[in-house]
Amino acid sequence: DTGVSQDPRHKITKRGQNVTFRCDPISEHNRLYWYRQTLGQGPEFLTYFQNEAQLEKSRLLSDRFSAERPKGSFSTLEIQRTEQGDSAMYLCASSLDQGSYGYTFGSGTRLTVV
Amino acid sequence: GQSLEQPSEVTAVEGAIVQINCTYQTSGFYGLSWYQQHDGGAPTFLSYNALDGLEETGRFSSFLSRSDSYGYLLLQELQMKDSASYFCAVRDLERGGKLIFGQGTELSVKP
Repeated sequence: DTGVSQDPRHKITKRGQNVTFRCDPISEHNRLYWYRQTLGQGPEFLTYFQNEAQLEKSRLLSDRFSAERPKGSFSTLEIQRTEQGDSAMYLCASSLDQGSYGYTFGSGTRLTVV
Repeated sequence: GQSLEQPSEVTAVEGAIVQINCTYQTSGFYGLSWYQQHDGGAPTFLSYNALDGLEETGRFSSFLSRSDSYGYLLLQELQMKDSASYFCAVRDLERGGKLIFGQGTELSVKP
């Protein structure tokens, strides 16, 4: 297994456009998390899945954000009608159960909204 | 809720020892984790302390005192490649156990 993969690595989009990011977790991991990180800050939780079930969505997340993990494997994060404030690094991580022995993060998708 | 505090930046020289502190406030506690992140890279897991005391992994050690709601990451024999951001994290036990991260400490190692 090559770890957690995220695609694309970089995305530049115009304000108002929709974007979708993909995350492929470690295959044995049943939990998948999405975090957002801005410069000089720690990762901020967005949502997570256990298998295909989305168990929690951050109150900070507006209705423009939606995530899926249709077969309990890869996940997608979609942002509709992007705003400049959405510019950030979007990180995906996976873990076995609650991840007592750590999350494995992907390298992230850097989104720039112009 | 949960909150974590750690210094925003620390500077040290090659070969030295540096300690990065983390204090936390949680409604329930289930361990303190540390992650390292190089510029432009993914956070990588370093250590996890569920019980009081010191855990050593090579040049890195992590300490926890649950009674003081305090932990630290100790880096010995600093190398230039240790220049990175270091995050402490705790579990949000109220809602599924996801990790909540601190703001991070940027470590600069000088020659």
